[in-house]
Amino acid sequence: SQTIHQWPATLVQPVGSPLSLECTVEGTSNPNLYWYRQAAGRGLQLLFYSVGIGQISSEVPQNLSASRPQDRQFILSSKKLLLSDSGFYLCAWSWRGAEQYFGPGTRLTVT
Amino acid sequence: GNSVTQMEGPVTLSEEAFLTINCTYTATGYPSLFWYVQYPGEGLQLLLKATKADDKGSNKGFEATYRKETTSFHLEKGSVQVSDSAVYFCALFMMDSSYKLIFGSGTRLLVRP
Repeated sequence: SQTIHQWPATLVQPVGSPLSLECTVEGTSNPNLYWYRQAAGRGLQLLFYSVGIGQISSEVPQNLSASRPQDRQFILSSKKLLLSDSGFYLCAWSWRGAEQYFGPGTRLTVT
Repeated sequence: GNSVTQMEGPVTLSEEAFLTINCTYTATGYPSLFWYVQYPGEGLQLLLKATKADDKGSNKGFEATYRKETTSFHLEKGSVQVSDSAVYFCALFMMDSSYKLIFGSGTRLLVRP
């Protein structure tokens, strides 16, 4: 069966520091991968998605970036965090289909 | 463009009450429709889905029927439990090159004992 992992689970970072969040999927090959952000009490905002290694599509211009160095690894990064980057970051995968399956999330607090 | 509209929350119910969470959509075509549930501090879980008109998705006592004529996919449960307290998201998917889900804003459900 397929599983999706995210780490770290929680993170507290000062403004201006770098960020690296990792997502990995097990049990499937060549999945579509997605990064979402959920601000407190709000809905989901799609940040990036990828249909293959090295293929990244950005939905919202911002100071975040994403990379897919391996088939089942998706990384969300920032060179300098802003206060507004605080939120709950969710990774998801799908396999050419409609259903997306979500990871447990990373709660980021920028202080 | 394609969009999903959900009823504003929070919805507060007593245990064993009947639940309806409204969801309507706008789409240029024939989308697949989904309900996801998010328990506090967790990621989203797929609750149920329907892929064509008049399909009924069901899971864990929840049901939703894909109504093309009213462009709706309302979530219902006959008797809610305290453990159903969560945020519920309606979403649609169009088979195009982007493979993206379009989510509603979410509806928080609070069930009191």
